[in-house]
Amino acid sequence: DAGVIQSPRHEVTEMGQEVTLRCKPISGHNSLFWYRQTMMRGLELLIYFNNNVPIDDSGMPEDRFSAKMPNASFSTLKIQPSEPRDSAVYFCASSGQAVGELFFGEGSRLTVL
Amino acid sequence: AQKITQTQPGMFVQEKEAVTLDCTYDTSDPSYGLFWYKQPSSGEMIFLIYQGSYDQQNATEGRYSLNFQKARKSANLVISASQLGDSAMYFCAMREYEKLTFGTGTRLTIIP
Repeated sequence: DAGVIQSPRHEVTEMGQEVTLRCKPISGHNSLFWYRQTMMRGLELLIYFNNNVPIDDSGMPEDRFSAKMPNASFSTLKIQPSEPRDSAVYFCASSGQAVGELFFGEGSRLTVL
Repeated sequence: AQKITQTQPGMFVQEKEAVTLDCTYDTSDPSYGLFWYKQPSSGEMIFLIYQGSYDQQNATEGRYSLNFQKARKSANLVISASQLGDSAMYFCAMREYEKLTFGTGTRLTIIP
């Protein structure tokens, strides 16, 4: 079975550009999570969806960040405009149970110059 | 207040020895889950073990076991007979109200 699929794996962009990260959760999972990992702040939950509905976006840093889940098999995290401090690894994860494990994608490493 | 606390930023352990990674947590939700994830240098997040708050027995998965002490709110990971491939970052995490919150991690280095 396919796991959580993220794209792109690596993205290098210049400050001010728009960045879109994509995620395909595991089929049948009803919860989807976006995390950001940096050396300084560790693993931070940005937003999570349940049944395609955003439940908690309190971790989204600012208005430059937005996330959507138009259907059960696809989600995007968009940064517009990007800044150097957005450089991080962004993980998408999905889960099929309310207290069960999260299955993580391989991450998208973003570098903003 | 920190939800998940890992007090050991780094540990060095001799190969084949057992190692205990500490984790304490804080929650008022009676229903929660505790997890350990491994992150090798390649960067992926690998699920190791899960303990539910209502589970009576400590969870075990091969060489991994979770020492769950509910009254003390601790969920330490024990790795028996450590191997060189165990060198990685280890994260303790707690899931409550659907959200999964991570600790700061412990970098484990196994010495040959």
